[in-house]
Amino acid sequence: KNQVEQSPQSLIILEGKNCTLQCNYTVSPFSNLRWYKQDTGRGPVSLTIMTFSENTKSNGRYTATLDADTKQSSLHITASQLSDSASYICVVSSSGGSYIPTFGRGTSLIVHP
Amino acid sequence: DSGVTQTPKHLITATGQRVTLRCSPRSGDLSVYWYQQSLDQGLQFLIQYYNGEERAKGNILERFSAQQFPDLHSELNLSSLELGDSALYFCASSVTWTESTGELFFGEGSRLTVL
Repeated sequence: KNQVEQSPQSLIILEGKNCTLQCNYTVSPFSNLRWYKQDTGRGPVSLTIMTFSENTKSNGRYTATLDADTKQSSLHITASQLSDSASYICVVSSSGGSYIPTFGRGTSLIVHP
Repeated sequence: DSGVTQTPKHLITATGQRVTLRCSPRSGDLSVYWYQQSLDQGLQFLIQYYNGEERAKGNILERFSAQQFPDLHSELNLSSLELGDSALYFCASSVTWTESTGELFFGEGSRLTVL
């Protein structure tokens, strides 16, 4: 069964600090992994996509990494801002069988001033 | 703005009632997905349509049904509502259903409260 596990479930940091969110998956065969940001009460928005051959990809202060061998991904946020407070969702898509992406439960990040 | 429009934004109703949620996908997107998000829970996949046809089903209750119309808008019908059906219901769209690298574009959601 395809699964995506995220950790930690929640995280509180001070403004300006860095943080790293983790994602482990068992989706097979693997196609791609996306990180979405979901502000409270809003729809998720894609931050970055990682395919099998990519190890690192940056989008401003967000840097995603992928280790396809260990089936792990991380999202690193640098110099956090109050606006980074949101839920970050790891979503993994398969290249075979069901094309429905598998969602993680998300990590809730709170940035305090 | 994702380009996906959902109505209504908020809905309050009573147990046992029936409601219809509407979604208009992004221009050019043929695939529509419905998700349910209960309080502090992850997004649960309900059902997917592509160009008017049902393509995949998730954890959708028998009391729930959906359809996609020729103009590609979709409706999610929720009947015999229970307190536990209170949640945010999201619609997402993508260009195709076989393009596994395709990004899902989400609407702002419809918040359903069942009293």
